[in-house]
Amino acid sequence: EVQLVESGGGLVQPGGSLRLSCAASGFTFSSYWMHWVRQAPGKGLVWVSRINSDGSSTSYADSVKGRFTISRDNAKNTLYLQMNCLRAEDTAVYYCARGGEYSYDAFHIWGQGTMVTVSS
Amino acid sequence: EIVLTQSPGTLSLSPGERATLSCRASQSVSSTYLAWYQQKPGQPPRLLIYGASSRATGIPDRFSGSGSGTDFTLTISRLEPEDFAVYYCQQYGSSPYPFGQGTRLEIK
Repeated sequence: EVQLVESGGGLVQPGGSLRLSCAASGFTFSSYWMHWVRQAPGKGLVWVSRINSDGSSTSYADSVKGRFTISRDNAKNTLYLQMNCLRAEDTAVYYCARGGEYSYDAFHIWGQGTMVTVSS
Repeated sequence: EIVLTQSPGTLSLSPGERATLSCRASQSVSSTYLAWYQQKPGQPPRLLIYGASSRATGIPDRFSGSGSGTDFTLTISRLEPEDFAVYYCQQYGSSPYPFGQGTRLEIK
């Protein structure tokens, strides 16, 4: 079964850091671009970051650029999102999603999400 | 940067009726890279349509997508009770990969 499982969410103070993980299974993880998408409570979907298949290329939404870092370990079939200098407005459910095989594609597979709350 | 605007914000219809949801882009989008997602409360989004008109795996044929350039449409031919949800369009051809703000489809 093709599956993405996020972990690492929780409560963190403003200015703090958190690392999210996304464990992939059921497909050749190393072939696919991967994304992080977030959704603040009661709000819409916001794309956060993307990494290509071998990790050599990344891109970020302006709102997280310089604070968040996306990475992957293809040997462990795991995607990461390192989040630093967290702000209240980063509070959201964070989803990982599978993009295209070596290229652009829609997000066919999504994880269940992990909640990040930034509050003092 | 492309901005996607969905209309209406909320659509109130009854089961059995036809639903037409709109997604308008601030600049031309290749139809190859336009998707529609469905999201129900407490669940992750589910891909319905990619490439503007191709149904994703397991999606019933009452869902259809059309459009080109800056105007795209998701049509649900006959609404089933499980179709009442929030729907998002997305451009995925270049970074960033914006979503529309969503259309809430509610039972009338």
